[in-house]
Amino acid sequence: AQTVTQSQPEMSVQEAETVTLSCTYDTSESDYYLFWYKQPPSRQMILVIRQEAYKQQNATENRFSVNFQKAAKSFSLKISDSQLGDAAMYFCAYRRTQGGSEKLVFGKGTKLTVNP
Amino acid sequence: DAGVIQSPRHEVTEMGQEVTLRCKPISGHNSLFWYRQTMMRGLELLIYFNNNVPIDDSGMPEDRFSAKMPNASFSTLKIQPSEPRDSAVYFCASINKGFVSSYNEQFFGPGTRLTVL
Repeated sequence: AQTVTQSQPEMSVQEAETVTLSCTYDTSESDYYLFWYKQPPSRQMILVIRQEAYKQQNATENRFSVNFQKAAKSFSLKISDSQLGDAAMYFCAYRRTQGGSEKLVFGKGTKLTVNP
Repeated sequence: DAGVIQSPRHEVTEMGQEVTLRCKPISGHNSLFWYRQTMMRGLELLIYFNNNVPIDDSGMPEDRFSAKMPNASFSTLKIQPSEPRDSAVYFCASINKGFVSSYNEQFFGPGTRLTVL
């Protein structure tokens, strides 16, 4: 079974600085998707960024980028120019592509605090 | 588009009572997921439906939990009888499942916070 591990229960960053959240996963599949979701205090799950495993290029969405290391099964999220609105829980998630299953497997999350 | 709608947003009940959580997926979406979020276990999939048919219910904790999807626009998750350890946030998500292995974003509802006293 696939597992996702986020080793940092909490992280903090100063406003305008850069922070990196870590995620590792375990799978025997060769093709899959990886995601980072943001959950603010409102509880709403918001997709931040996704990465297809077959793509070597790291995904980027504005201030958010990932460092995808397939061999190491690592998928970290970098937030540049941190803003107060970035404060939230961040979840790393995995989804296989084979078999048509859309099931997401989540890590336990990292709570990000942004200090003014 | 109203997004995924869940009701109620908050539910407080006493142990032993029946609880029904409701979900309306995004119109046109053909797959629906129920997740549970707790501090101890994080976010975990309980069950998911494709075209109203349950595909994977391996995450349903025990017989006290049941889920139905009578049509494409409505699903329920029922707990009977409820227990304090069922206290959690329950999320519903939907997706427009296209071709196998293609990327389809899951859209989450706002969740229902359930407290069982």
